[in-house]
Amino acid sequence: DAKTTQPTSMDCAEGRAANLPCNHSTISGNEYVYWYRQIHSQGPQYIIHGLKNNETNEMASLIITEDRKSSTLILPHATLRDTAVYYCIVRVVGGSNYKLTFGKGTLLTVNP
Amino acid sequence: KAGVTQTPRYLIKTRGQQVTLSCSPISGHRSVSWYQQTPGQGLQFLFEYFSETQRNKGNFPGRFSGRQFSNSRSEMNVSTLELGDSALYLCASSWGDREGEQYFGPGTRLTVT
Repeated sequence: DAKTTQPTSMDCAEGRAANLPCNHSTISGNEYVYWYRQIHSQGPQYIIHGLKNNETNEMASLIITEDRKSSTLILPHATLRDTAVYYCIVRVVGGSNYKLTFGKGTLLTVNP
Repeated sequence: KAGVTQTPRYLIKTRGQQVTLSCSPISGHRSVSWYQQTPGQGLQFLFEYFSETQRNKGNFPGRFSGRQFSNSRSEMNVSTLELGDSALYLCASSWGDREGEQYFGPGTRLTVT
């Protein structure tokens, strides 16, 4: 799986949009971008995933650049409960690989 | 719909003992994966089961093993416990298809003394 690079930490004001970047410059054509988050002492929570088109669900939006070398997770109106470690993961889809390789992620702190 | 459940939630064991952890996936999910999380190594993949067969395995010693039952419930076993096995053990379930997003349980906190 391609390696990802994320900032160690970010701050965001409550009610504002949180934009979390992820670099995956070595991504290959059959690799998807997944985002998970982990609130302290809980199991990771799936947020969203995509291949090359922008995706949106009830939790967030995922913007993938045209060359697919980077992506941004957008939480449109961050709340205090969004404080968590956010993981950007690139995973080969297809074949026999079903594991997730977690990096260190970005600690997002939402401030009141 | 009920989420992924893991039992027990907390466990204290002594070095040299063995331990069995249990995971019940979301109803209908056929894939169960196990992960170990420690402060030093972060989240690391242990293994994944689909329809009672191990499909993927991470880089852990043979002391770590698992199995899956016909109802998709899974257990993982760690034999001859070491202090370094102290960790949060997480189970995740998914449909097991190509893009299948994984849904994690709350984890079992294992402390080895």
